Amino acid sequence: ETGVTQTPRHLVMGMTNKKSLKCEQHLGHNAMYWYKQSAKKPLELMFVYSLEERVENNSVPSRFSPECPNSSHLFLHLHTLQPEDSALYLCASSPGGGRPETQYFGPGTRLLVL
Amino acid sequence: AQSVTQPDIHITVSEGASLELRCNYSYGATPYLFWYVQSPGQGLQLLLKYFSGDTLVQGIKGFEAEFKRSQSSFNLRKPSVHWSDAAEYFCAVGAKGGSEKLVFGKGTKLTVNP
Repeated sequence: ETGVTQTPRHLVMGMTNKKSLKCEQHLGHNAMYWYKQSAKKPLELMFVYSLEERVENNSVPSRFSPECPNSSHLFLHLHTLQPEDSALYLCASSPGGGRPETQYFGPGTRLLVL
Repeated sequence: AQSVTQPDIHITVSEGASLELRCNYSYGATPYLFWYVQSPGQGLQLLLKYFSGDTLVQGIKGFEAEFKRSQSSFNLRKPSVHWSDAAEYFCAVGAKGGSEKLVFGKGTKLTVNP
């Protein structure tokens, strides 16, 4: 498999559930990202990992917990979410190296919180 | 901090007509500039990018963009639009000498009439 993959593609969860989103990149990149995309809002950067170290956390609520066990995998653990957290969650990767580069995006996970 | 403005939320063109999508950025130095396209339910795909050199950049699917420093703009153009170009288009800017982070505009949704 090539590029950036995300699972699941769709997820419905209640406010008391715990679930995880998974992202995997097959590009040999060193940086990975989580974005939130809501209707009528710009793309919101949530977390940035560079060489498995979290380098950015954009004031994201603690009910979102990222994990980067290696440079190919990125998880987003979800617990006690709110309905306003319903959105498309996009993962991306880039070569890294401390400067802007092309980010390659996965297809996203469409999350609905009931 | 850098920022991106896409003044047009929604544009409608007829198939075969020319297209120009506007992007203005705010950044003190020479930026890294990107255009991405997103089809419904999908992730973002890179159309083209500008880092340095020739200010007219060619991308995939027949798109091009021109960097104009004096106007702080990076407008996307296509001479003849195809129905398959209907999608949402995002302009993004990165900071030279900064981190890997990109700042995205709010997007322009393109509708193509037959």
